[in-house]
Formats: sequence, C-alpha cells, structure tokens
Amino acid sequence: QKEVEQNSGPLSVPEGAIASLNCTYSDQGSQSFFWYRQYSGKSPELIMFIYSNGDKEDGRFTAQLNKASQYVSLLIRDSQPSDSATYLCAASMNSGYSTLTFGKGTMLLVSP
Amino acid sequence: DARVTQTPRHKVTEMGQEVTMRCQPILGHNTVFWYRQTMMQGLELLAYFRNRAPLDDSGMPKDRFSAEMPDATLATLKIQPSEPRDSAVYFCASAMGLFPDTQYFGPGTRLTVL
Repeated sequence: QKEVEQNSGPLSVPEGAIASLNCTYSDQGSQSFFWYRQYSGKSPELIMFIYSNGDKEDGRFTAQLNKASQYVSLLIRDSQPSDSATYLCAASMNSGYSTLTFGKGTMLLVSP
Repeated sequence: DARVTQTPRHKVTEMGQEVTMRCQPILGHNTVFWYRQTMMQGLELLAYFRNRAPLDDSGMPKDRFSAEMPDATLATLKIQPSEPRDSAVYFCASAMGLFPDTQYFGPGTRLTVL
C-alpha cells in the first residue's frame, strides 16, 4: 500500500517567517514528488515538483528531497497571509504511466 | 489560458437519483483522472484514462459508479443510484502523460446527496 504522510496541522507561522512543510512516503520506488496548494473551497494548484535529491528553488518556495530517508519538504520563505492554505504532497512511481498518491495535506496559517 | 473545465460546479440531488459530471481536459493532454475529496479520506483516485482508454478504475464502487471518455475532449463520471455517502467534491485532472506526470486540476463538482 503506497502511502504519503503529512502532519495535518495547522502549522501557524507569523508573517515574514519561514514555513516548513514535511512529507514522508512509503514506496521506495517513488520517483517524482509534487507540492500542491489548495485554498479552501478551491481545487489543488501545482506549486512545484522535484525528482532529484537535494533542493529545488522557485521564488519563495524551496522543495527538498531526500530519497534515502524517503522525505520531502517544502519551505516557504517570507510567508504571507495569502500563503494560508492546505498543502498537499504527492508521489509518483515513474515517468508518464503512473498515478499520484496524495497525502491528506497540511494546513498552513500565516498570521499578519 | 488552458485549463480543465468541469460541469456542473454544484449539484444537489436526492438519494437514488442519477448524477452525471463532465470534464473537458486541457487540449493536448492525453491522460484524465477522476478524484473524490472528502475531509476524512482526502483525495482519492477513482479512475483514469490514457488516450481515452480506461487504465484503472479500482478506486470506484463498481456497482454504482461508471466513468467514460467518449472523445478526447470529454470525460464523464456517472453515479447511479446516488447515496448520501457520495457527497463530496469530485475533481477531474488532466496530464500530458510525460515525465514528471504533472496533473492539472479542474475546479471540481461539489455534490450533495440528500
């Protein structure tokens, strides 16, 4: 049974701080990993993906992957109240022919 | 602006009625997914299609749910008969079918079965 685990939160951070969201996965065969943001009442929106060990940066967002530890994280620098949402982590087995296994998400609250 | 569209956005129906949800994937995407999201279960994959062929529908209750893709621009999810436990948000997502499997979600259909 492939599983992706996330702390449900809420994770509360003050505006301007770094928010750190974490995710672990059970299937060692997972190859690529995705972070989606979901505002209340809206659909999941892709933030970024990562498939190589290490860090990947995109603006205020940094995804980190450690395949040996089966651990993925998302860092949000200079957090803004508009970042308040649920963040979904997802894992995929391989290229092009596999599905995503989603975690249940971590709720992030950024206070002004 | 390419995006996945879904209709209806909201549906309220009575138990036992048939419900049909529709999805138009992003033009050029060959893979379509149907998900159901509830607070308790999170996002669950119901079924998916590649080049209009069903690849996996093991997530669907077979006795009442059916999914089809009559052409490349339309995917449907049907529930017959509907039950109160089917109340959820149903999302359609599409992807190009190429690494790294990025999926793009539609706005969802919020279904309430009374």
